[in-house]
Amino acid sequence: DAKTTQPTSMDCAEGRAANLPCNHSTISGNEYVYWYRQIHSQGPQYIIHGLKNNETNEMASLIITEDRKSSTLILPHATLRDTAVYYCIVRVWPGGSQGNLIFGKGTKLSVKP
Amino acid sequence: GAGVSQSPSNKVTEKGKDVELRCDPISGHTALYWYRQSLGQGLEFLIYFQGNSAPDKSGLPSDRFSAERTGGSVSTLTIQRTQQEDSAVYLCASSLGDRDQETQYFGPGTRLLVL
Repeated sequence: DAKTTQPTSMDCAEGRAANLPCNHSTISGNEYVYWYRQIHSQGPQYIIHGLKNNETNEMASLIITEDRKSSTLILPHATLRDTAVYYCIVRVWPGGSQGNLIFGKGTKLSVKP
Repeated sequence: GAGVSQSPSNKVTEKGKDVELRCDPISGHTALYWYRQSLGQGLEFLIYFQGNSAPDKSGLPSDRFSAERTGGSVSTLTIQRTQQEDSAVYLCASSLGDRDQETQYFGPGTRLLVL
């Protein structure tokens, strides 16, 4: 079972920031938070990951609470092409068969003009 | 290209036939993963390779499913005597290795339809 909880769906206006929450209250100290997204009919696309510090890359920012029990993915200026299902994943460590990604239902983000 | 590639992109087969799905990982990636995604469902892990060996095959749904990887590169997922419930998108991902922070990069998937 996925170790994360996400809202089923969210809407966002084009050009606005999209803030996608994720709860992972049972996360262990050595587990990372990963975010992927899946645009219709495509394979999942890696967005960002982090352990405890906030992270930023060209796609998004990841804010992790101090207790690490929740996080927020921020798309600073959402476009229509950001419409997708967004998955928050806690990656089990160590790797090997436990390193596979366990996908939950994700959040369907709809960016509207 | 530089990404993970999969072939065929689409496959339609008749119930009872065997199918082979191919995955070409990113060059230099030693870890390779197979997942499947049934219509409207999340991704289900199938099998993982580190190099040519598969430490854990427990994710394969039945003994009709098998996978191999040769030369530490290309992998083939074979489904024998296909059933209608095998219809799904089969996704392959690769990563540099078997360590934490090793990001998995996915291919576009093979859409399998069993009639």
